[in-house]
This record gives sequence, structure tokens and C-alpha cells, in this order.
Amino acid sequence: GENVEQHPSTLSVQEGDSAVIKCTYSDSASNYFPWYKQELGKGPQLIIDIRSNVGEKKDQRIAVTLNKTAKHFSLHITETQPEDSAVYFCAASRGKLTGGGNKLTFGTGTQLKVEL
Amino acid sequence: DAGVIQSPRHEVTEMGQEVTLRCKPISGHDYLFWYRQTMMRGLELLIYFNNNVPIDDSGMPEDRFSAKMPNASFSTLKIQPSEPRDSAVYFCASSPREGAYGYTFGSGTRLTVV
Repeated sequence: GENVEQHPSTLSVQEGDSAVIKCTYSDSASNYFPWYKQELGKGPQLIIDIRSNVGEKKDQRIAVTLNKTAKHFSLHITETQPEDSAVYFCAASRGKLTGGGNKLTFGTGTQLKVEL
Repeated sequence: DAGVIQSPRHEVTEMGQEVTLRCKPISGHDYLFWYRQTMMRGLELLIYFNNNVPIDDSGMPEDRFSAKMPNASFSTLKIQPSEPRDSAVYFCASSPREGAYGYTFGSGTRLTVV
């Protein structure tokens, strides 16, 4: 099955700096890669996703890049703010392909702390 | 839209007792997922349903765990008998279409078995 590794496990940045979280996956059939943000006491919330037919996607201060050849994808947060502090999870799925396409396999999470 | 609704938010029970967790998915979402989150193992998929039918229960850890979806607006995850190692946060999520897109998670149930 799919295996998703995520690094780093903790990340501390100064407000206004950029933060980068990296993930690798093992299943070459995976083609859908969402990122989730989990705040304390809440469920994970989708913040951005990318499909395998594109290499980069941006949404305001958040961007995701994908390298299918190397099987890794990254989350970039620019101009970080204190409210960005949370746990971030990457995930991978086969999308609409058969054999597990509806299942998300999650990374182990990154605790991001944005310091004033 | 009220989102995915889970109850209870917190549950403390004694070892050996039966525990039932409840979930109401978003209306119109055909897929429902149960995940368990622990520090050691992260987010693990336990089981998922499509149109109320269990599709994949390979993540259910033991026969002590069972899940049902009697209708499109309600699902339960039952643990009987409960054990301390079942302590975790259990999340329910729903999705409107095939392919893991648009997952929406509930706020979770924090289960503590003493």
C-alpha cells in the first residue's frame, strides 16, 4: 500500500518568514495530493490540493509543488502569521483509480509554530 | 451547512465497557470514512462506506470494532469490549464524490479508556 513520509515533524519560524514542509510517497499510481491543517481540538481541514497533471498550485500565501518523477511534494507558506500555527498533514490518494482510490494515506504531521 | 457532526466530543469509559461513537455526514455526501488518530500511528483509516455500504474495512484493528451505516445521514463506530489501547481521537469524514476529493472532517471524539 501507499506510504507517505513527512518532514520535519516540528518547525518553528519567525512571523513573516516562509515555511516549507516536504512529503514523499511510495505509490507511483497516486495522483491526488491534498494538504490539511489541524488546529487544536479540531478535525483536519483541507487547505490546498494538487493533482498530478500540474506541477504547482497557489492560493494566496500558500503554494504546493509536485515532482512526480521524484515522488515528492511540498507545502510552502509565505509571510507566516501566528494564526498559521497548527499541525499540517500531507496525504496521497489514487484519486479515481481503482484499488484504493477513495482512501487518503496521511503523513505523520508537522507541528508549525509561528513566533512573534 | 453544519458540516460533519460527531458525538460525543469526549468519552471516558472503563475497560471492558461498550463504546458507541456517532457521525452525521454532510447531506449529499455519498462517502463516509472513520479515521483514528494517535500520537504513535497518526491518522489511520479504519473503514469507509459508499452509499451506506461498507467498501473497505481492512483498517479495522480487531473484531472488537464494528461500524454501521443504517442510512445516508447516520453512522456508528462501536467498540466492544473497549481496552486502554483504544484511547485515541476518532474522526468521521465525508466526501461528495469518488476519488478522495473534498474530504470534510468532523471535530472528532476523544476516547479515553481507563
